[in-house]
Amino acid sequence: TQLLEQSPQFLSIQEGENLTVYCNSSSVFSSLQWYRQEPGEGPVLLVTVVTGGEVKKLKRLTFQFGDARKDSSLHITAAQPGDTGLYLCAGDPANDYKLSFGAGTTVTVRA
Amino acid sequence: DTAVSQTPKYLVTQMGNDKSIKCEQNLGHDTMYWYKQDSKKFLKIMFSYNNKELIINETVPNRFSPKSPDKAHLNLHINSLELGDSAVYFCASSQDLAPDTQYFGPGTRLTVL
Repeated sequence: TQLLEQSPQFLSIQEGENLTVYCNSSSVFSSLQWYRQEPGEGPVLLVTVVTGGEVKKLKRLTFQFGDARKDSSLHITAAQPGDTGLYLCAGDPANDYKLSFGAGTTVTVRA
Repeated sequence: DTAVSQTPKYLVTQMGNDKSIKCEQNLGHDTMYWYKQDSKKFLKIMFSYNNKELIINETVPNRFSPKSPDKAHLNLHINSLELGDSAVYFCASSQDLAPDTQYFGPGTRLTVL
C-alpha cells in the first residue's frame, strides 16, 4: 500500500497548455516535497511545503499544500518542453526518518 | 564538481554473481541513503546511514550489505544476484535525517541476466 497516491500517472500535453498533478494521502504530513526526475538522472528537489494551505511559486510552477496537510498539488502554467519529466511527491508521515515517495506522474510536453 | 557521484553508471551481470556500487558525496552531509527504483519508477528507501551509523534497514534481503567507511561514502554490496534485483539504484545524501532535502546521485542501472 502506497502512502502517497499521485494522479494522473501519465500526462501528455501541448506546449503552452496548463497541467495539474495531484498527490494525496490519508496520512498527515509535517511537510511534503516535490521532486522532478529527468531520464537517466536522479530526482532533484523543486520545493518543500510545510504549512497547511501554503502556496509556493517557482516561476511557472505553483505548489499548494492542503489545509489538512494530507495532500498537495503542482500546477504548471504554459508548459514548455523543458518541463518534461517524472514528478514525484514525498513525505515522512510516521516521522520515522523514512521518506516515502509517490509513484510519480510522467509529464510529456510536446513542442 | 559533482555533489553525489555513483559508480558504475551501468552494471550488467549474470545471476548468482556478487557486485558492488560505490557512492561518494562532497556536500559535507551527515546522512546517506540507498534507494531502489523499479521498472515502474517507484522509488523506495533501502538503507540510511547517519554519521556512519545504520539508521534504516527497510526489510531488504540480507544479500544486500551497505558499508559506510566514512561520512562521505556509502557503498552497496550485493551477493548472489537475482533477476528481481534488476533496477536503478540511487545513492542520496542529506544534511540531517529525512525528511531533510535529499540530494540524489545519477543512479546505477543494474541488469541481472
